[in-house]
Amino acid sequence: GESVGLHLPTLSVQEGDNSIINCAYSNSASDYFIWYKQESGKGPQFIIDIRSNMDKRQGQRVTVLLNKTVKHLSLQIAATQPGDSAVYFCAEKRNTGGFKTIFGAGTRLFVKA
Amino acid sequence: SQTIHQWPATLVQPVGSPLSLECTVEGTSNPNLYWYRQAAGRGLQLLFYSVGIGQISSEVPQNLSASRPQDRQFILSSKKLLLSDSGFYLCAWSVQDSYEQYFGPGTRLTVT
Repeated sequence: GESVGLHLPTLSVQEGDNSIINCAYSNSASDYFIWYKQESGKGPQFIIDIRSNMDKRQGQRVTVLLNKTVKHLSLQIAATQPGDSAVYFCAEKRNTGGFKTIFGAGTRLFVKA
Repeated sequence: SQTIHQWPATLVQPVGSPLSLECTVEGTSNPNLYWYRQAAGRGLQLLFYSVGIGQISSEVPQNLSASRPQDRQFILSSKKLLLSDSGFYLCAWSVQDSYEQYFGPGTRLTVT
């Protein structure tokens, strides 16, 4: 659900390792999910999306996994690079009509060289 | 290609002063438009969204307002700023019936 008031959790990984960023959602009516990346001082950018009729989707170096049973979404980044350092947000679209998406609190990823 | 512009990039305003932030989108027609606020180290809070000219939906009661005078122009305003209005304001657009949003570069507002 919405957590705009919380401080961002952080994840620190070594360059070259894989990163896993997690997101829990609360509404079982959500049927579409998006991951965004936000670099410092910039607006968020789309990374990858997944519909609720899928449980896995792969992009370039990124994979999103969806577990509807426990309402959990994860973003996996392979061979993490310094340029991956950013805040990552998951967003959910609820199947209640309309087009509004709800953003999660975000996770700050630090990549150590 | 589509582009989204926001200005100004940074703004320092005293408490009680008015505010006007502008967002324009190029290269698309009849987009959905959004205003978000992001406090330092926090997530995104949806403030307003619009599905068409003159159609504004407010998500959070506050002293801010939004207007859409033209198809690709979205304005965020306030008559009297509060200290709590400080933050990073982001405008975004999406194609109608799509949920992928494209964000502008943002405006960093500091109310002193």
